[in-house]
Amino acid sequence: GESVGLHLPTLSVQEGDNSIINCAYSNSASDYFIWYKQESGKGPQFIIDIRSNMDKRQGQRVTVLLNKTVKHLSLQIAATQPGDSAVYFCAETPAGQNFVFGPGTRLSVLP
Amino acid sequence: DGGITQSPKYLFRKEGQNVTLSCEQNLNHDAMYWYRQDPGQGLRLIYYSQIVNDFQKGDIAEGYSVSREKKESFPLTVTSAQKNPTAFYLCASSMQGIGELFFGEGSRLTVL
Repeated sequence: GESVGLHLPTLSVQEGDNSIINCAYSNSASDYFIWYKQESGKGPQFIIDIRSNMDKRQGQRVTVLLNKTVKHLSLQIAATQPGDSAVYFCAETPAGQNFVFGPGTRLSVLP
Repeated sequence: DGGITQSPKYLFRKEGQNVTLSCEQNLNHDAMYWYRQDPGQGLRLIYYSQIVNDFQKGDIAEGYSVSREKKESFPLTVTSAQKNPTAFYLCASSMQGIGELFFGEGSRLTVL
């Protein structure tokens, strides 16, 4: 597979447990945030997004929380499955500007 | 199915050679982007284009060139001037430069 994220933080969770992946963003003017999932050797896939006028958004088995006070974003995955194993990274953008990407966290799901 | 197609998936280059990575999208998106991904780092923007026949440098444009002659296509040339070209290259697109980025499957370039 690709050597993406060789030195990334790693989160290991037991299958069926909940996962929480964190991201600290840098720009207080950022108003749109996305979580992406990237499997080895593949391109990133959109998971969920949130705008700065919200502090929580839910999707299927995923929830994103936004804390603008401390510039923190988190992704919660419920009932983690083996297929969730991947690198997850956040992206932020102020209106009209290009995205800035975090380095990512590698999620490993243990059987 | 609509999407972004990058080719080739793997490419080997000798030092001193230019190579061109292809990116085609059928999503009818106006904006297209090229990113570079290195281990342990976030994606870094090389070039982007908001409209046909126009493009702008990103954060790490040195040693790269692009063209945008058609809405669907945004090829990236890695020139011999790029000092450390070995990396995973990702092409992306978005509707009118806003909203989520849709990514291709990437091209892995290795310089021998």
